Amino acid sequence: AQTIHQWPVAEIKAVGSPLSLGCTIKGKSSPNLYWYWQATGGTLQQLFYSITVGQVESVVQLNLSASRPKDDQFILSTEKLLLSHSGFYLCAWSRPGGYEQYFGPGTRLTVL
Amino acid sequence: GDSVTQTEGLVTLTEGLPVMLNCTYQTIYSNPFLFWYVHYLNESPRLLLKSSTDNKRTEHQGFHATLHKSSSSFHLQKSSAQLSDSALYYCALSEGSGGSNAKLTFGKGTKLSVKS
Repeated sequence: AQTIHQWPVAEIKAVGSPLSLGCTIKGKSSPNLYWYWQATGGTLQQLFYSITVGQVESVVQLNLSASRPKDDQFILSTEKLLLSHSGFYLCAWSRPGGYEQYFGPGTRLTVL
Repeated sequence: GDSVTQTEGLVTLTEGLPVMLNCTYQTIYSNPFLFWYVHYLNESPRLLLKSSTDNKRTEHQGFHATLHKSSSSFHLQKSSAQLSDSALYYCALSEGSGGSNAKLTFGKGTKLSVKS
């Protein structure tokens, strides 16, 4: 069975500090991977997707970057956090060409 | 671009009453996939229903929805609400091209609260 892990569970960071959020998928080879963000009171927005190692496409510009260093790992990062980065970050995966996406437990980020 | 509009905010129901959460969409694609995701507190969002077939009812776990392309709607219904149905419900749309990125466009979500 496939499992998806995200870390950390929650993070409180200062404006201007760096950030790194991680996501790991186990039990599925070569999945499509996605990062989503939900501002408080807002809707889920897709930020990035990746169909293979080393390739990441940006969907929404939020002064964030993403990388896929391994087939089962997806990293979301920035060198300088903004207050507007606060929210809930979700990682998801799908089968290549598949429509159904499976979500991880999420990371809650508070930027002060 | 694509957009999804849902019944906004909080819907409060008494247990046993019917559930209807509205979802309408806009897309340029002729064969979109529509989804309902349910997000329970402290869990990950998970797929509840999906459809790409016009006028065909799809059912799962007591919920049902029918995609109507003529009205661009995919309303979520249940005949009798249960306390355990309390959750956040998202309607989402995918362009349905089967491309590499199954981009999902989400609505703002509807919080369903079922009281006894």
